Amino acid sequence: QKEVEQNSGPLSVPEGAIASLNCTYSDQGSQSFFWYRQYSGKSPELIMFIYSNGDKEDGRFTAQLNKASQYVSLLIRDSQPSDSATYLCAVNIEGGTSYGKLTFGQGTILTVHP
Amino acid sequence: NAGVMQNPRHLVRRRGQEARLRCSPMKGHSHVYWYRQLPEEGLKFMVYLQKENIIDESGMPKERFSAEFPKEGPSILRIQQVVRGDSAAYFCASSPNTNIQYFGAGTRLSVL
Repeated sequence: QKEVEQNSGPLSVPEGAIASLNCTYSDQGSQSFFWYRQYSGKSPELIMFIYSNGDKEDGRFTAQLNKASQYVSLLIRDSQPSDSATYLCAVNIEGGTSYGKLTFGQGTILTVHP
Repeated sequence: NAGVMQNPRHLVRRRGQEARLRCSPMKGHSHVYWYRQLPEEGLKFMVYLQKENIIDESGMPKERFSAEFPKEGPSILRIQQVVRGDSAAYFCASSPNTNIQYFGAGTRLSVL
């Protein structure tokens, strides 16, 4: 069983729609959860992080965390073609706030078409 | 405040040569992490360092790979006697005293 799982996609949504990206993790001790965006040939760019159960909103992005279900998601409202990228879910498997080793999912390819 | 700086951006080596990848963390960041991204694969943790110390090298191959983060200067990821399977993008990330990591632009290593 993979430690962090994502659907590889591609996920295709029309411009202006809500894109929903999902991620599950296996280690119940996981403490911190991150979403990175990676354009082709570029480096990962941090877009959201969440530590507590519930929702966290930042502009068009909302991260949702459910530790009981070991599930974290990212919603992108009013999707734009410039949102087309690979979205990486990352989890701090070791726990704690100062350790930092991240385990990544395979990434979900998102395509937003005009 | 400059971001995480990696160089070179692209590195070409022949089989058997050595590759040295450098990473300067963001100002004020004392935690450095190296990750590798093989073609069509996800990011994999390699090593975590603080100044002059290797904290966790559980993701490093046992042979040919080494890393350091000296008191002065950048962190170095060194690959000796490179093989074609080492061709990948190598990313460095840095962090202040939290676990939010910011990535550099990466070094794309090609082994001929």
